[in-house]
Amino acid sequence: GAGVSQSPRYKVAKRGQDVALRCDPISGHVSLFWYQQALGQGPEFLTYFQNEAQLDKSGLPSDRFFAERPEGSVSTLKIQRTQQEDSAVYLCASSLLASGGQETQYFGPGTRLLVL
Amino acid sequence: GENVEQHPSTLSVQEGDSAVIKCTYSDSASNYFPWYKQELGKRPQLIIDIRSNVGEKKDQRIAVTLNKTAKHFSLHITETQPEDSAVYFCAAESNFGNEKLTFGTGTRLTIIP
Repeated sequence: GAGVSQSPRYKVAKRGQDVALRCDPISGHVSLFWYQQALGQGPEFLTYFQNEAQLDKSGLPSDRFFAERPEGSVSTLKIQRTQQEDSAVYLCASSLLASGGQETQYFGPGTRLLVL
Repeated sequence: GENVEQHPSTLSVQEGDSAVIKCTYSDSASNYFPWYKQELGKRPQLIIDIRSNVGEKKDQRIAVTLNKTAKHFSLHITETQPEDSAVYFCAAESNFGNEKLTFGTGTRLTIIP
């Protein structure tokens, strides 16, 4: 079946612009995660949804970052007033079940954001 | 919170030899440890995982071992092939109702033909 998809794949923004990154998880997956991956580093957790509920946003670096998943499927990560330090690959992942954890997280291809 | 350390950061091995990557974690409550392979510009892909009630797991040329007492786990790749060249990340998931993964910093594995 179809895997996790993300759009756009690449985004160039001028400093100060707002951007919106979209994630389409695998159909039926309850959990959805956003991670930020800086060049040469491992992914770092940003936020976590269980269906439409945002249960953890402890990894969001500032109040310029906002995520939503209004219908429990597609999710959008929005970054307001982008800064150069926001340049990174933004990865979305989904997993099937919510309770108990230990579920495989399937990653999307990421959106590479470059802020000039 | 959880902290995962990964070594080495780069590793070169001759084709056919074995490769070993090691990770340590800090949170004794962590109970799920996946390994992901990431090729340049591609998504991370799960290659193997282990849960805390198991000490070792093997899948063809890939094996993972877990020592919960020492809080470390390792990835073993035998009979390496050129297509094994990639960046490998270990990760740990804590058992506190949030499934977030904490990743290591990655190991760039190069297989020399």
